[in-house]
Amino acid sequence: AQTVTQSQPEMSVQEAETVTLSCTYDTSENNYYLFWYKQPPSRQMILVIRQEAYKQQNATENRFSVNFQKAAKSFSLKISDSQLGDTAMYFCAFMPTRIIQGAQKLVFGQGTRLTINP
Amino acid sequence: GAVVSQHPSRVICKSGTSVKIECRSLDFQATTMFWYRQFPKQSLMLMATSNEGSKATYEQGVEKDKFLINHASLTLSTLTVTSAHPEDSSFYICSAPGQGNTEAFFGQGTRLTVV
Repeated sequence: AQTVTQSQPEMSVQEAETVTLSCTYDTSENNYYLFWYKQPPSRQMILVIRQEAYKQQNATENRFSVNFQKAAKSFSLKISDSQLGDTAMYFCAFMPTRIIQGAQKLVFGQGTRLTINP
Repeated sequence: GAVVSQHPSRVICKSGTSVKIECRSLDFQATTMFWYRQFPKQSLMLMATSNEGSKATYEQGVEKDKFLINHASLTLSTLTVTSAHPEDSSFYICSAPGQGNTEAFFGQGTRLTVV
């Protein structure tokens, strides 16, 4: 079974600072996707960034980038030049590409509550 | 990206009544949809996988007779909370995999309060 662990329940930084959220996972699968989702106070789940395991290059989306270490099963999210609107819960998630029990399920970490202070 | 619409966004019901939550894929077909439950300040917990044209697959510990799932068409899945109790109060979210199963799209969620 796959597990995803986020060891930082809460983090807080000042606006414009850089912050890194940690995520580790455990799986025996070779091919999979990793995601970071943002859940603001509205509770709508928003995809921040996605990484395909077979790609060595780290994914980037504007101010958001990941440090994907496949051997270490680590997938951290770096937010540069943080903004007040980045305040939210952030969830790391894993999805195998192989269909297991009829579906490709997302497995979520416990979440990290990030607060950006003015 | 693809859009998943979930309704209602909020519902209050009395103990003992049933509540239906709808999840629609607006611009794509979804043979599979997922239903999650989220307690305050916690992560999403997968309840069940909804399969179009066949029975839903429930996760361990989820009462299938209490949380009825019907995947009536390629664009609609419903979750009915039957004989609701206050402990069923929670935030329920649906999602559907996008084309190629490379990501998931989420509904807006439903905050259920049972009084």
